[in-house]
Amino acid sequence: DIQMTQSPSTLSASVGDRVIITCRASQSISSWLAWYQQKPGKAPNLLIHKASNLESGVPLRFSGSGSGTEFTLTISSLQPDDFATYYCQQYYSHLWTFGQGTKVEIK
Amino acid sequence: EVQLVESGGGLVQPGQSLRLSCTTSGFTFGDYAMSWVRQAPEKGLEWVGFIRSKAYGGTTEYAASVKGRFTISRDDSKSIAYLQMNSLKTEDTALYYCSRDIITITWGLENHYFYYMDVWGKGTTVTVSS
Repeated sequence: DIQMTQSPSTLSASVGDRVIITCRASQSISSWLAWYQQKPGKAPNLLIHKASNLESGVPLRFSGSGSGTEFTLTISSLQPDDFATYYCQQYYSHLWTFGQGTKVEIK
Repeated sequence: EVQLVESGGGLVQPGQSLRLSCTTSGFTFGDYAMSWVRQAPEKGLEWVGFIRSKAYGGTTEYAASVKGRFTISRDDSKSIAYLQMNSLKTEDTALYYCSRDIITITWGLENHYFYYMDVWGKGTTVTVSS
């Protein structure tokens, strides 16, 4: 199976900060990567697919980049609504795998 | 509006079975693959498996942790996806989500098919305990 590793596991930041979350794959997955946001008690919400394609309705402060084994999710200016847990997920293999999650907390 | 509603969760003993349903509306169910993802209490997301649309064979894929015990099926006439869970273990305790999957096709000498999950239900809770 392809292993996905996110860093950091927890991130403390303030409103207005630029936040970068990294996701590494154990082998090349080309650009077949999605990012999800999950708030407590809620279902995950798709933010980005194919590494950099922003889902309709997602604020432009979110962006994704990368290919191969290294990917990033960037929030250009953190807003109060962005405090949540973020997951990357590869869908290159027919056996999909998620990263362990990155919790973005209020500093 | 696209909606997915999971149901069928509950408390069962180890070794027992349970069938979850994912009832959908707001889109042409038969055109889409469907997935199941679970989340154990205070843990991350774990993909369980998915079923392709009939246009792409209606075949299934499963995570190693559930392969041979869980079966995903679909009833296109009712717009429902199912997750049949047999030989349940305590480690299967989780919130189970279903999702709709979007296909991307790369065309070439050999076509390749990639799916991602775009809309999720709110989940149904399964507790396996004696």
